[in-house]
Amino acid sequence: QLQLQESGPGLVKPSETLSLTCTVSGGSISSSSYYWGWIRQPPGKGLEWIGSIYYSGSTYYNPSLKSRVTISVDTSKNQFSLKLSSVTAADTAVYYCARIVGANESLDYWGQGTLVTVSS
Amino acid sequence: QSALTQPASVSGSPGQSITISCTGTSSDVGSYNLVSWYQQHPGKAPKLMIYEGSKRPSGVSNRFSGSKSGNTASLTISGLQAEDEADYYCCSYAGSSTLFGGGTKLTVL
Repeated sequence: QLQLQESGPGLVKPSETLSLTCTVSGGSISSSSYYWGWIRQPPGKGLEWIGSIYYSGSTYYNPSLKSRVTISVDTSKNQFSLKLSSVTAADTAVYYCARIVGANESLDYWGQGTLVTVSS
Repeated sequence: QSALTQPASVSGSPGQSITISCTGTSSDVGSYNLVSWYQQHPGKAPKLMIYEGSKRPSGVSNRFSGSKSGNTASLTISGLQAEDEADYYCCSYAGSSTLFGGGTKLTVL
């Protein structure tokens, strides 16, 4: 059974960089049939797509966040990562990682999510 | 790019059917048959319920169905059950990016 697990600091100071890692177990991140994404959800609000990455390193970002987002992949560790720079309180959210089926763009497996709070 | 438009809330009684709409544009919902729907219970991660507009993943009840007409996709839940009470989100491929709807809270009366 595929599992995804987010990890990283739960508290980040304003203007600093948020860094999260998603560890994939029970399957290979290098499969050409899938790619991997980050989604966030501010408290009490809806889902927002942040961006995604193929195992080859090709990335796709939400235009509204593109200037601050970097997503990378480490196939040797079966992990992919998110960096969001210059954070503000508006970036406080539960951050999810997910697997995306390349053939139909659906997000079929999700991590449990991790709350990141931006506060001094 | 704007979020897809969903009603904020819908409600229905047990056994009834409800439909949730998801309106996009000719650049997303209208251009691709790549709409998916997710169910989210409080404090939980979203769960895939429908993909490619109308297909159900293995294990999802056939009470859930999806359709699309033009720039609007729809999710119908028939034979409402108490456990269906949750938030529902639509999602569409938009050409090198992905859009989510704002979410719809389903209340089972």
